[in-house]
Amino acid sequence: GIQVEQSPPDLILQEGANSTLRCNFSDSVNNLQWFHQNPWGQLINLFYIPSGTKQNGRLSATTVATERYSLLYISSSQTTDSGVYFCAVELDMRFGAGTRLTVKP
Amino acid sequence: GAGVSQSPSNKVTEKGKDVELRCDPISGHTALYWYRQSLGQGLEFLIYFQGNSAPDKSGLPSDRFSAERTGGSVSTLTIQRTQQEDSAVYLCASSELSVEQYFGPGTRLTVT
Repeated sequence: GIQVEQSPPDLILQEGANSTLRCNFSDSVNNLQWFHQNPWGQLINLFYIPSGTKQNGRLSATTVATERYSLLYISSSQTTDSGVYFCAVELDMRFGAGTRLTVKP
Repeated sequence: GAGVSQSPSNKVTEKGKDVELRCDPISGHTALYWYRQSLGQGLEFLIYFQGNSAPDKSGLPSDRFSAERTGGSVSTLTIQRTQQEDSAVYLCASSELSVEQYFGPGTRLTVT
């Protein structure tokens, strides 16, 4: 099956900093989503982005399907951005291992 | 409308007992997924239902695990003869075909 790799595994930021999270996948995909798992365990949809670029407030994402990667950008980070960020691909939604983000005040 | 719901929210059981976990997907969603998340780990895919097609069971870790989806809606994940390593949060998600997946709050299973 498709392999999904996320980097970095852990990221610590000072509040207000920007960051880029990466998701690489081993084969072409028709579906890709980014999720945020908050400290209470709830998984929240961020973007459905099999290709192209989307923006939602301080967050944006870009998927370059032909090069098999997706990027999640977080600008002006806030402490509430802390948690784990996952990408998942394909109809059966295979997940990467996640990036654990900690934003310090 | 209502999101994905799961019950119970917490379940403590003794080793060797059977447990049933329930998932109510969003109305109209044809796809339903089960995952397992151990403490501090990523999501482990268990099983995927899509409409009336045969489910993708490739993620089930052993024959003690089974799942069914009745009438294309509610799903039950059953774990027989529970072991301590089954302790985890079990997450359910649903989606319309080829679009965004929505997660329930999960069931935290503790096997003592």
